Amino acid sequence: KAGVTQTPRYLIKTRGQQVTLSCSPISGHRSVSWYQQTPGQGLQFLFEYFSETQRNKGNFPGRFSGRQFSNSRSEMNVSTLELGDSALYLCASSLVTGGLSDTQYFGPGTRLTVL
Amino acid sequence: AQSVAQPEDQVNVAEGNPLTVKCTYSVSGNPYLFWYVQYPNRGLQFLLKYITGDNLVKGSYGFEAEFNKSQTSFHLKKPSALVSDSALYFCAVRDEAAGNKLTFGGGTRVLVKP
Repeated sequence: KAGVTQTPRYLIKTRGQQVTLSCSPISGHRSVSWYQQTPGQGLQFLFEYFSETQRNKGNFPGRFSGRQFSNSRSEMNVSTLELGDSALYLCASSLVTGGLSDTQYFGPGTRLTVL
Repeated sequence: AQSVAQPEDQVNVAEGNPLTVKCTYSVSGNPYLFWYVQYPNRGLQFLLKYITGDNLVKGSYGFEAEFNKSQTSFHLKKPSALVSDSALYFCAVRDEAAGNKLTFGGGTRVLVKP
């Protein structure tokens, strides 16, 4: 079974621009979560989508948004980019069997650099 | 609020020696604990998890972890480390109050020397 895929793998943008990142979950997985990884703040939860609905949200400004499509694929958008948005953005999918024991499986990430 | 602490930024161990990576957690309810490993320029790879039951959990690549409720710890162990185990290790926790969100520790870099 193919793993979680993320596109693109690398992005370079300038301040003020916006960016859209894409995530395809493992086949059959219905939950997609997004995380930001930086050297200073570590791994931080952005949001989670399940059945096209945002189910949980972290402490990020409104510039960070996402959505999920009917095929469970998810996109994340960052508007008005700032230098501090430079990070590795990780997507994770899980099966959702109904409990908190579900394992999240991560993609390779998208490395975003803001100049 | 849930939190995770990994007290060591780096652990150095000789190949063939036992490896331990420490993790302590704080949650308001029952903890669901996970270990992930990250190799350079890669995403996180799942190693093992504790949900309930036996306090010793066995995972991938010879890794195991011991859950200790009284000490609120979930240390990762491997009896005999390999050079290829050199990577960044993350402990994570989830509880009912936070839903499906994983809260990660700061990570521990493991360096296994030949």
